[in-house]
Amino acid sequence: NAGVMQNPRHLVRRRGQEARLRCSPMKGHSHVYWYRQLPEEGLKFMVYLQKENIIDESGMPKERFSAEFPKEGPSILRIQQVVRGDSAAYFCASSPETANYGYTFGSGTRLTVV
Amino acid sequence: AQSVTQPDIHITVSEGASLELRCNYSYGATPYLFWYVQSPGQGLQLLLKYFSGDTLVQGIKGFEAEFKRSQSSFNLRKPSVHWSDAAEYFCAVGDGNTDKLIFGTGTRLQVFP
Repeated sequence: NAGVMQNPRHLVRRRGQEARLRCSPMKGHSHVYWYRQLPEEGLKFMVYLQKENIIDESGMPKERFSAEFPKEGPSILRIQQVVRGDSAAYFCASSPETANYGYTFGSGTRLTVV
Repeated sequence: AQSVTQPDIHITVSEGASLELRCNYSYGATPYLFWYVQSPGQGLQLLLKYFSGDTLVQGIKGFEAEFKRSQSSFNLRKPSVHWSDAAEYFCAVGDGNTDKLIFGTGTRLQVFP
């Protein structure tokens, strides 16, 4: 029973390029959450999605960032025109429908912008 | 707004010594409280959680935490630390309306043999 799968584990992008981070939730989990961990900081909530719906995107930067969780396939966090300040670890978590915070976290994608 | 404070950025203990990691929260109602552990380069693993009931919560790997409403605290404890406990520890609070978690900035634990 695979856990939450994130890929790639490490991603290097030049300033101005696009970054696409993928998250496949655990089998049977229909809720996905994305968190960002900046160096020397705790995790900060970005967005909460269910299949084909964004439930809460209050933590998403207003520009360049978007997220989706299609009916089929993984959830995607997309960062357009990356800047150095986007360098961080991005974690995805998933939970079943009645979660009550029953998250399972993935191992994260570490994005480095050069 | 909810917030979580972990006053200790870095703690060093000897193997076999006892451990207490501090966590203070700010929340109007009864909070949902969590402790997670993160090993280098890894994701977060849930150690324990408190929703209601007994204020002393047992978790995995021999950890426990005590909810003290009067002090707005949820400190993590372990009676005897092992070298493999060296990691970063995060306290978090749930906002009670969604499944969103608010994390503290973490405490890095170093264990000396």
